[in-house]
Amino acid sequence: ETGVTQSPTHLIKTRGQQVTLRCSSQSGHNTVSWYQQALGQGPQFIFQYYREEENGRGNFPPRFSGLQFPNYSSELNVNALELDDSALYLCASSFTNRAHYNEQFFGPGTRLTVL
Amino acid sequence: AQSVTQLDSQVPVFEEAPVELRCNYSSSVSVYLFWYVQYPNQGLQLLLKYLSGSTLVESINGFEAEFNKSQTSFHLRKPSVHISDTAEYFCAVSDRFGAGSYQLTFGKGTKLSVIP
Repeated sequence: ETGVTQSPTHLIKTRGQQVTLRCSSQSGHNTVSWYQQALGQGPQFIFQYYREEENGRGNFPPRFSGLQFPNYSSELNVNALELDDSALYLCASSFTNRAHYNEQFFGPGTRLTVL
Repeated sequence: AQSVTQLDSQVPVFEEAPVELRCNYSSSVSVYLFWYVQYPNQGLQLLLKYLSGSTLVESINGFEAEFNKSQTSFHLRKPSVHISDTAEYFCAVSDRFGAGSYQLTFGKGTKLSVIP
């Protein structure tokens, strides 16, 4: 069984640029959540995708957007990068079962540095 | 929205000594609670979770946490730490925003440093 994978591992961008981060969910999972972990902070929920649609969103501006594909993999896109976007971006996959809590399994993250 | 407070940002402890990492949450309704561990330059690994039932939950590597509803706490303990336990530990609470849909709200983390 393959776990959650993310690419790239590290990325350096300049202010104003756009970036795309990718996540492959664990086999059998249909839901992907994205979190931002700034240095010295806990992860913060960005949004969740289920059945290729945004299923919930945290307190992040619209320049943070995402996609989920039919194979349940996902992309996180950030436009007009700002210095404060520098962080570790974590993807978590789960299987949505409406009757129970669904454990989230995290990938290793993508470290984004904005200069 | 729920919040999680981890009272200690750093905890140094000698090897084989006991340790407690403190966590308090804000919710007054039924919650699911978690402890995650993060090793340097890695993602998060689930250490243990409380969903229902016994208020004392244990991990396979000797950690335990106790859900205390009256004090809204979920402190993590280990009776004897090892060098390999050096890591950052995050307490988290679930927020349900739809049928079967949950997000996690994390504390700011506690860095555990085990001293030889």
